[in-house]
Amino acid sequence: QSALTQPASVSGSPGQSITISCTGTSSDVGGYNYVSWYQQHPGKAPKLMIYDVSNRPSGVSNRFSGSKSGNTASLTISGLQAEDEADYYCSSYTSSSTLVFGNGTKVTVL
Amino acid sequence: QVQLVESGGGVVQPGGSLRLSCAASGFTFSNYGMHWVRQAPGKGLEWVTFIRYDGSNKYYADSVKGRFTISRDNSENTLYLQMNSLRADDTAVYYCAKDVGSGWGIDYWGQGSLVTVSS
Repeated sequence: QSALTQPASVSGSPGQSITISCTGTSSDVGGYNYVSWYQQHPGKAPKLMIYDVSNRPSGVSNRFSGSKSGNTASLTISGLQAEDEADYYCSSYTSSSTLVFGNGTKVTVL
Repeated sequence: QVQLVESGGGVVQPGGSLRLSCAASGFTFSNYGMHWVRQAPGKGLEWVTFIRYDGSNKYYADSVKGRFTISRDNSENTLYLQMNSLRADDTAVYYCAKDVGSGWGIDYWGQGSLVTVSS
């Protein structure tokens, strides 16, 4: 199972909005509404930001939102803040009954 | 609050074995599926394996199939990962993780346990 495709890096200025894409196939992202997004700061465990494409866990800022169109899911961070600087990973359930992660995106706040 | 505490990591020679444990608390362990996810140094996340809430079904990444075995003891709220025939490319931080319950997302992660395979 190949990793889902994410851009290596995305950057933005404080207050701006950025979007991270996560591209798969009809056997994973496109076939199920089981896409999640995780934030990982250096040396820390990942943190769930979005699950089931667009659901936000309790305690996660509403500046984070998720969507999906076809085989591509997206994470949008609005009102970018310095604390949002981190690595972000998507994941999806697959038709092989496995979980696949994206290759990760480094978000830089300029 | 949910806590997942891994133990059992360390240095092992190629071809050797290691068993990781994960002690869970703060939620009804027997109601949730559990994952192991690993992260090689400086690399991204790689899903390793998943076990259903009652242990009835287990799923593995191709990279570990036939070498790793996931299991759980719901009476002890503990998850395990038995790793055999270890290779250098198994070197990683191994995270124990709780399934969100709705569709193979992960809502809680342990702090991770480092496994180093080296001679």
